[in-house]
Amino acid sequence: GQNIDQPTEMTATEGAIVQINCTYQTSGFNGLFWYQQHAGEAPTFLSYNVLDGLEEKGRFSSFLSRSKGYSYLLLKELQMKDSASYLCAVRATNTGFQKLVFGTGTRLLVSP
Amino acid sequence: ETGVTQTPRHLVMGMTNKKSLKCEQHLGHNAMYWYKQSAKKPLELMFVYSLEERVENNSVPSRFSPECPNSSHLFLHLHTLQPEDSALYLCASSQDYTSGGHNEQFFGPGTRLTVL
Repeated sequence: GQNIDQPTEMTATEGAIVQINCTYQTSGFNGLFWYQQHAGEAPTFLSYNVLDGLEEKGRFSSFLSRSKGYSYLLLKELQMKDSASYLCAVRATNTGFQKLVFGTGTRLLVSP
Repeated sequence: ETGVTQTPRHLVMGMTNKKSLKCEQHLGHNAMYWYKQSAKKPLELMFVYSLEERVENNSVPSRFSPECPNSSHLFLHLHTLQPEDSALYLCASSQDYTSGGHNEQFFGPGTRLTVL
């Protein structure tokens, strides 16, 4: 079966650093995505990892360990606008189209 | 218009009504998707169209019927829905995976559906 686990909710303070973890068990692996979703809005793409290691993009970084079935999203210098849900998704097939398996999302609340 | 658009943004319907959700993408992608997002549940993939051909039907009840007339448009026809079908319905598009690259999916803003 397919299973993606991430914490339901996290809280942090403006200016701090937060790490959102994601573990996965899927049939086949062909990349892991992180999306950000503000309340009432569309999910927007943040990062993609297919090889082990860290991908850095400004204040956001994402890490992947395929052997451990583990990823994390690191958010630095938190801002109030970072309050949102963060969705971890695995591309679980190698066929001709993307099939993403999503976790339930981690709701991040950033306080002043 | 840019990106992925969806209409209507909100829809309230009775169980005996028939309605349709519309999605349009302006990104030149060749794959389109319907997802259902319910509170405290993961995004659930419903249907996938690649090059206008349906390639995935994730055991979705027949009261949901997709249509993809061309690579830019996707519809979800609804009839005799149940209250538990109330959710946010998201459309997404991407380049087909075989074209290379990570080909992330771009999502529309969704249609908030309430079934009375």
